[in-house]
Amino acid sequence: NAGVTQTPKFRVLKTGQSMTLLCAQDMNHEYMYWYRQDPGMGLRLIHYSVGEGTTAKGEVPDGYNVSRLKKQNFLLGLESAAPSQTSVYFCASSKYRGPIFEAFFGQGTRLTVV
Amino acid sequence: AQSVAQPEDQVNVAEGNPLTVKCTYSVSGNPYLFWYVQYPNRGLQFLLKYITGDNLVKGSYGFEAEFNKSQTSFHLKKPSALVSDSALYFCAVRASTSDDYKLSFGAGTTVTVRA
Repeated sequence: NAGVTQTPKFRVLKTGQSMTLLCAQDMNHEYMYWYRQDPGMGLRLIHYSVGEGTTAKGEVPDGYNVSRLKKQNFLLGLESAAPSQTSVYFCASSKYRGPIFEAFFGQGTRLTVV
Repeated sequence: AQSVAQPEDQVNVAEGNPLTVKCTYSVSGNPYLFWYVQYPNRGLQFLLKYITGDNLVKGSYGFEAEFNKSQTSFHLKKPSALVSDSALYFCAVRASTSDDYKLSFGAGTTVTVRA
């Protein structure tokens, strides 16, 4: 199994440009999350989803939008990128219940906004 | 609101010495608690979790963690640290109730094990 796959792994954007980060999981997990990781601040939750067609705001949702049209995919969009969005983005997924419900993480997307 | 605190930004130990990484949490109701490790330029890897039952949880790579409900703590421990344990460690919490699905992380603790 591939687990959680993020696309792309690296990206450089100019201020004002838009882009979409794709997260795909093949574990049939109900929950999916998008985090950003910044030095000294750990992982901060941007948006999350508890199932297909549902999304919710996390701690730092401003400037981002998400969609979960299919259970296996969770897209993170930046409509107008800003330098403050330079970060490493991680996607994760987990089950709601069962013996294994810890979150599984992708390898991350390093985004630089210039 | 739920939250996790990791009071130490950095922990430095000598190889072979005990390693402890501290974590305290706040959550409504009973918690699900997790420890993750991140090696440079990699994603987070799961180490161990507490769901219910025995307060001492054993995980990967010789790590263990002790759940203390009265102190709302979940400290990560390893009896004898290795240089290869040098990494960034995250504690995380999720409420066990059905109406709050968020997984919240602490800021992380950088562990350096010197030879």
